[in-house]
Amino acid sequence: QQPVQSPQAVILREGEDAVINCSSSKALYSVHWYRQKHGEAPVFLMILLKGGEQKGHEKISASFNEKKQQSSLYLTASQLSYSGTYFCGTVSSGSNYQLIWGAGTKLIIKP
Amino acid sequence: KAGVTQTPRYLIKTRGQQVTLSCSPISGHRSVSWYQQTPGQGLQFLFEYFSETQRNKGNFPGRFSGRQFSNSRSEMNVSTLELGDSALYLCASSLAPGQGNNSPLHFGNGTRLTVT
Repeated sequence: QQPVQSPQAVILREGEDAVINCSSSKALYSVHWYRQKHGEAPVFLMILLKGGEQKGHEKISASFNEKKQQSSLYLTASQLSYSGTYFCGTVSSGSNYQLIWGAGTKLIIKP
Repeated sequence: KAGVTQTPRYLIKTRGQQVTLSCSPISGHRSVSWYQQTPGQGLQFLFEYFSETQRNKGNFPGRFSGRQFSNSRSEMNVSTLELGDSALYLCASSLAPGQGNNSPLHFGNGTRLTVT
């Protein structure tokens, strides 16, 4: 089952914060986050393993709530370069590392 | 270190034809996975190869096939093309098997296929 990402799209002013959520109906082993800018390949941001570990990448951080089977990506003081579509991918426990992708969240940052 | 290379970048084919796309992974990466991306559909998993063996396959018809060579380069083939096959086809390589293992995926820039 495809994880559900919310919101589908968000428009921000430069410097504002954003939160992107990724929820699954299955028990998760890990959550992966990627960003794809228009016309470019997806780029790896971070992997979160079960255990609630929070990770960071520049001013982008993420958390993984194992009990809720949900991960949230936090973009702090957003920059124009953060624009793009953010994808989460989930790996369910016992799935042989099969990665299931969400539909993506489009983030537009305006100056 | 060179990134993942996909060729060709653009391709225009006619319905009923077949097409072969190529992917050269990052040196040392033995896992290659393929995805179809269409607007609003996100990334649809096609298949994954590791050490020349297909490890996983997505829900695509048998017209979609792939293979991996001993140097880890991979090809995917689509036969009897349909209009709905128009999409961006991405490949990604990683060190370890399983797209969802703890090793990041490195994507190529994709091949944009247009079927007319």
